[in-house]
This record gives sequence, structure tokens and C-alpha cells, in this order.
Amino acid sequence: DAGVTQSPTHLIKTRGQQVTLRCSPISGHKSVSWYQQVLGQGPQFIFQYYEKEERGRGNFPDRFSARQFPNYSSELNVNALLLGDSALYLCASSLLPAKGGETQYFGPGTRLLVL
Amino acid sequence: AQRVTQPEKLLSVFKGAPVELKCNYSYSGSPELFWYVQYSRQRLQLLLRHISRESIKGFTADLNKGETSFHLKKPFAQEEDSAMYYCALKEAAGNKLTFGGGTRVLVKP
Repeated sequence: DAGVTQSPTHLIKTRGQQVTLRCSPISGHKSVSWYQQVLGQGPQFIFQYYEKEERGRGNFPDRFSARQFPNYSSELNVNALLLGDSALYLCASSLLPAKGGETQYFGPGTRLLVL
Repeated sequence: AQRVTQPEKLLSVFKGAPVELKCNYSYSGSPELFWYVQYSRQRLQLLLRHISRESIKGFTADLNKGETSFHLKKPFAQEEDSAMYYCALKEAAGNKLTFGGGTRVLVKP
């Protein structure tokens, strides 16, 4: 198993553009979470999805949205990009929503640079 | 709202010396605490969690609810321990991980 995969690995956009990031969870995992990691800081929770439904949302503006597909893969969309959106975007998958000590497995991330 | 604080940005120790990474949290309920590690050019991975009470790669961490701390310790650091370490908290009934800012550990030969 390749683990959690994310695409693309790197992305350069300009202010005002829109971006879509993709995540494929580990086979059998039904829950996907998204995190933003700004340089020099720890990851910050954006969303969690389980069985195609949003199960949690962090303190991010409505420009950020996500969805989960029947095959449990997920997309994160960010509209009207700002310079401050430049960050590493991490996807994590788990068997179930992260409760009871359920381990989250992280992907390699997508590095987004907004110019 | 919950918060996780890692006061040291960088810890530099010599090989064979003890290392302790501090983690303090703020949360009113019963949290679940984790340590994640990121080695150079690798993805973030779970090191250990307090509910397992296990020792991984010689590291241990004890949850101290009175002091709201979850410090990570290793008695004899190895060069391969050089990495970025993140403490994280999860609400008992919630679904998100709240991470600290991270501590970079550098083990010198």
C-alpha cells in the first residue's frame, strides 16, 4: 500500500485564482481530514469528512471547501486565493472518524505558493 | 478552545545525552494526547499516544493532568532522532487534532 497520496506535490498560483487539491486515503480508510501547515507552524485543522459527510470544520473562511467521493477520496478547494494561503496542505486518513485513539495517517502534502 | 504549546523551537543535544521535549495543553475536558514526528524528507507520522502507554524508539511520554503536560523523553538520544516533533491534542468527543508549533531536535555526534 502506498499510503495516503496527494496531488499535485507542488503548485504555484496567483492571487484571486482558485485551486483544487486531491487526496486518496489508504485503502479501507473512510475518513479524510485536511490540515494547513504554514511555514514554521504546526498543522492546523481545516476539515474532516467521513462517509461523504462533513464531520468537523476548523476556523477557516468560506473560501475553503471540500468534498469526499464514493471511493473515499477527497478534494480541497480554495477560492479567491490570498498570499496568506501559501502553505503545505496535508491530508490524513483513518479507518473511522478520529475517536477512541484512532490513528490518522498523513500524506506527503501539497505545497501551494500564491504569488 | 483547546491549545497546545511547545515552548522550545529548537533542542540541540549530544548523542547519548537525555532529551526532553515539553508540551503543555489547555483543554477543559479529558483530552487524548499524541506525539507526531517528521524526519527529513518524510511525512508526518505518529510516534506515540498517551492511551497506549507504550515506549516507541526509546521515547516515553506521561500525561500529567495536574500540570496539563505531556512531555516527551528519551534517556539516550541517537543521531537518528534528529527530526521535527509535534505534540497534538484531540478532544474526547471531537474529530480534529490540535497541534503545537513543533520542536526541532538536533542530535550532534
